[in-house]
Amino acid sequence: DADVTQTPRNRITKTGKRIMLECSQTKGHDRMYWYRQDPGLGLQLIYYSFDVKDINKGEISDGYSVSRQAQAKFSLSLESAIPNQTALYFCATGAGSYNEQFFGPGTRLTVL
Amino acid sequence: GENVEQHPSTLSVQEGDSAVIKCTYSDSASNYFPWYKQELGKGPQLIIDIRSNVGEKKDQRIAVTLNKTAKHFSLHITETQPEDSAVYFCAASTTSYDKVIFGPGTSLSVIP
Repeated sequence: DADVTQTPRNRITKTGKRIMLECSQTKGHDRMYWYRQDPGLGLQLIYYSFDVKDINKGEISDGYSVSRQAQAKFSLSLESAIPNQTALYFCATGAGSYNEQFFGPGTRLTVL
Repeated sequence: GENVEQHPSTLSVQEGDSAVIKCTYSDSASNYFPWYKQELGKGPQLIIDIRSNVGEKKDQRIAVTLNKTAKHFSLHITETQPEDSAVYFCAASTTSYDKVIFGPGTSLSVIP
């Protein structure tokens, strides 16, 4: 059973298109995160949220926006996709005093 | 803000040998150091962590060490097996942080 799910798992799109990546969780965690993974750069934080009224920018938020529709749902949007946004995107939840991260399976996005 | 560096970026070992991955952090306020393992096609998963009041922690074939003075921490895997092949991320955080800062990752290959 997947506690953190992401849709779609793979997406190919063209420059200038609007794209939404969705994340749902059944863990009951309040904290949710979006990361981007590029080879050699690790996991870079895009946005994070502690509840539906709380949205915070991460290290690389430019070109992205998010929506926390409910405790269980956190979506990432690319308003006008560009090729250098081609990457692997992960959603995660966080729990506990030390904020253990629980990752989804990832979405591979290619922008042509 | 916190910055986490990780070395080496790639590591190949023979099955049965040991593997060591080293990380450094910049913020002396960090007090929690998790390690995540990412298998091919999956999201990262926590495998072990260490808190700043502990110098070493072991869990079967894996161990972590922490040198707070030098701001270094390391992951040691003994008797490596092919299923240890993965990307490993070190990270740093504190209870006052909203987020976890990840290193760039180490791709470990265990050669049968």
